[in-house]
Amino acid sequence: QKEVEQDPGPLSVPEGAIVSLNCTYSNSAFQYFMWYRQYSRKGPELLMYTYSSGNKEDGRFTAQVDKSSKYISLFIRDSQPSDSATYLCAIYGAQKLVFGQGTRLTINP
Amino acid sequence: SQTIHQWPATLVQPVGSPLSLECTVEGTSNPNLYWYRQAAGRGLQLLFYSVGIGQISSEVPQNLSASRPQDRQFILSSKKLLLSDSGFYLCAWSVSGGGWTQYFGPGTRLLVL
Repeated sequence: QKEVEQDPGPLSVPEGAIVSLNCTYSNSAFQYFMWYRQYSRKGPELLMYTYSSGNKEDGRFTAQVDKSSKYISLFIRDSQPSDSATYLCAIYGAQKLVFGQGTRLTINP
Repeated sequence: SQTIHQWPATLVQPVGSPLSLECTVEGTSNPNLYWYRQAAGRGLQLLFYSVGIGQISSEVPQNLSASRPQDRQFILSSKKLLLSDSGFYLCAWSVSGGGWTQYFGPGTRLLVL
């Protein structure tokens, strides 16, 4: 079983839609939960990170963590074509950052 | 503000040739430094990390090695490249003791033919 599982997509939605991206993890010792955005042929960019269960909001982005279910989500409201990218979840524990496979997202104008 | 540089951006090398990729960080001191490889359509695989000059930890046994000759310089090397070494190589940094927030460079795309 992989430590972090993420549906690779691709996911295609119309502009303005709410996007939900998800990951599951297996190790309850993981402590920090991150979301990265990666444009084609670029390095990943840290979007958000959170430590505790619950929601964290930053503009149009909301990160949600459910430690009891070992499930994390990223919601994008009012999605824009510029949000088209690959989104990677990453989970940190035991001095190690483990990445999901990434979900390729396309927002259609 | 902090900036991370990688070069070259793209590299095409024949099998059996040597490799040297360089990463430098500006605007911070004593960072943790990391080398990752990203295969097409896959997540990031940690190759090496360093918490200080001359201190290198290897995560995956392979054809590659890393060195940290200066505080903000991290080098990825190989003596003889294999076809399987092709990929997108990413350098990242974090503050010392804060490995959960890692910031990535622009990456080097390596194609071994």
